[in-house]
Amino acid sequence: TQLLEQSPQFLSIQEGENLTVYCNSSSVFSSLQWYRQEPGEGPVLLVTVVTGGEVKKLKRLTFQFGDARKDSSLHITAAQTGDTGLYLCAGAVWETSGSRLTFGEGTQLTVNP
Amino acid sequence: NAGVTQTPKFQVLKTGQSMTLQCAQDMNHEYMSWYRQDPGMGLRLIHYSVGAGITDQGEVPNGYNVSRSTTEDFPLRLLSAAPSQTSVYFCASSQSIGFRLYNEQFFGPGTRLTVL
Repeated sequence: TQLLEQSPQFLSIQEGENLTVYCNSSSVFSSLQWYRQEPGEGPVLLVTVVTGGEVKKLKRLTFQFGDARKDSSLHITAAQTGDTGLYLCAGAVWETSGSRLTFGEGTQLTVNP
Repeated sequence: NAGVTQTPKFQVLKTGQSMTLQCAQDMNHEYMSWYRQDPGMGLRLIHYSVGAGITDQGEVPNGYNVSRSTTEDFPLRLLSAAPSQTSVYFCASSQSIGFRLYNEQFFGPGTRLTVL
């Protein structure tokens, strides 16, 4: 089983601050996804990164895939209260039976007004 | 399109009872899966299916059964509920599984299950 560790597990910041969430593993992933989940709902995909060193931007969110495809980071600039939620990273590994996603434990982000 | 639907939204069972969590999708997706979400443990894969008639075990399959008789439906059966199965259950679907590029998984709203 491939293990994905996210840090920090909890993060509480003020509106306007910047933050970074990390997703680390000792395993190599074919691709890595970031999801955001709000209370009472299922996760929703934010981005998929595929190539080592790849950087993708989604408005104030910047996602980076490590060069070795073992880790990833999510950076939020000038956080807003609407960014509050659970952020999950998920790594895809190819197995003989097909690809499988392994999820990290999640980072619960609270942005205070 | 309704996307991925799950029923019921909430359920309370007594230890030893059985029940089926329903999941349906109307996007003609080949791949469907069931996850459970517990505090501090993220989402863990229970069972998955790459198409009608094909199912396989995930990370935590014990105590659960699945079947995939149609493309649209992927029910999860709890054979004899235990308190350790208290969790939030999510069903997800995606178009297919690429080799390197993993397609977006669409999640249902979840079923919150409590086993007393």
